[in-house]
Amino acid sequence: GAVVSQHPSWVICKSGTSVKIECRSLDFQATTMFWYRQFPKQSLMLMATSNEGSKATYEQGVEKDKFLINHASLTLSTLTVTSAHPEDSSFYICSAQRSRDSPLHFGNGTRLTVT
Amino acid sequence: GQQVMQIPQYQHVQEGEDFTTYCNSSTTLSNIQWYKQRPGGHPVFLIQLVKSGEVKKQKRLTFQFGEAKKNSSLHITATQTTDVGTYFCAETPGGGKLIFGQGTELSVKP
Repeated sequence: GAVVSQHPSWVICKSGTSVKIECRSLDFQATTMFWYRQFPKQSLMLMATSNEGSKATYEQGVEKDKFLINHASLTLSTLTVTSAHPEDSSFYICSAQRSRDSPLHFGNGTRLTVT
Repeated sequence: GQQVMQIPQYQHVQEGEDFTTYCNSSTTLSNIQWYKQRPGGHPVFLIQLVKSGEVKKQKRLTFQFGEAKKNSSLHITATQTTDVGTYFCAETPGGGKLIFGQGTELSVKP
C-alpha cells in the first residue's frame, strides 16, 4: 500500500491565489522529504529538500519566497505555492525515504492548474 | 542541471520486441536507481545498482551498471503492453536527494 500520501490530487485555482499541498509519510518518520515538479513530457525536477525542524534547502533557480515549504513534524511536509500564476501549472510530487540510503517513495502527486 | 543523460527520449515498439534505455554520466556514480512512471502516475522504484559491473534481473527486466560506474542500462525482453510508461534513471549526488535523468517514454503497440 501507499507509504506516502499527498493531498490534494488535483487543484484548480485562480491567478494570484495561494495553494497548499500536503505530503505525509504514513508508516515511518521522515526527517527529510523532497519536492519535485514535473511539466508535461519532461523529467522530474527537484525543487527543494524539506528538513524537519529547520529551513528547506532550495535548488538553484527555485524561488523560496514563492514556494514555501514547512516541515513541522516527522510525518508532514507542506508546499505552498504563493501568488500562483499560469506558468506555475504543473505536476508537483513529494517523496520521502525510510532511511538515508533507501529508495524514495513518492506521493501520488498534485496536478495544479492556475487559470 | 541534470547529472545523468538518458537516451532515447522516446521508443515505440511492437509488442514482443525488446527495449533498452541508457544512462550516461561524465562522473563516477556512487549508485544508480531506476524508476518507472506510468502515464498519469507517480514514479515507482524498480531497483538500485551499487557495484561496478553489477547486473540484476527482475523477470523480463535486466539492469546493468557499467564497470566504470558511469553508465547504466535497462533492457526489457519481449515487451508487453503493461510495460508502457516512462523509465527514469536517477543518481544520488549527496544529501539524500535524487536527481533524475530525462527519462525514456516507452509505447508498445499490441
